[in-house]
Amino acid sequence: DQQVKQNSPSLSVQEGRISILNCDYTNSMFDYFLWYKKYPAEGPTFLISISSIKDKNEDGRFTVFLNKSAKHLSLHIVPSQPGDSAVYFCAALGNKFYFGSGTKLNVKP
Amino acid sequence: DAGITQSPRYKITETGRQVTLMCHQTWSHSYMFWYRQDLGHGLRLIYYSAAADITDKGEVPDGYVVSRSKTENFPLTLESATRSQTSVYFCASSGNRETEAFFGQGTRLTVV
Repeated sequence: DQQVKQNSPSLSVQEGRISILNCDYTNSMFDYFLWYKKYPAEGPTFLISISSIKDKNEDGRFTVFLNKSAKHLSLHIVPSQPGDSAVYFCAALGNKFYFGSGTKLNVKP
Repeated sequence: DAGITQSPRYKITETGRQVTLMCHQTWSHSYMFWYRQDLGHGLRLIYYSAAADITDKGEVPDGYVVSRSKTENFPLTLESATRSQTSVYFCASSGNRETEAFFGQGTRLTVV
């Protein structure tokens, strides 16, 4: 059973608009969450993280929100740019890192 | 070159063959990981290592063997490859357990 779920396999957004990527987890003991971005034929690269003691972390155009009661985190990208088109993975840390299945974001010019 | 590198980038092998995927990092990171990426499953942890000579199983370790005799190297061996092991394999390293990992470029393995 997947402990980290990304229920939207794909998302399409117009350039300049907001992209919202969602991630749900099942284990309330997870205490650290990350988002990775992956381009084709490359390895994932770290994007942003959040500790369970926070509910928001911001880095430029990227903001991650954590709702512990709902076991839900989201990544907001504002404004979205065509270069943001990639697969985004969320990951949660328990005794090890667990990854979601990824959401493919397409930002249309 | 600094960073984390995997070799080979692409590999085709036959069922039943032994194949080893190499991973080398230059940061002296303590932690190293092997993941496989499959459609619909995302990244699943195969094995990880907290330090030289310390390895532990991840979510999907069956059919794989790892070793870590040196901090910088973490090879992954498929002792008898099966078609279900066709996948893209990523090696990663991190300085400690609670920081982000840096990934290699991946090895696309096809078992025929």
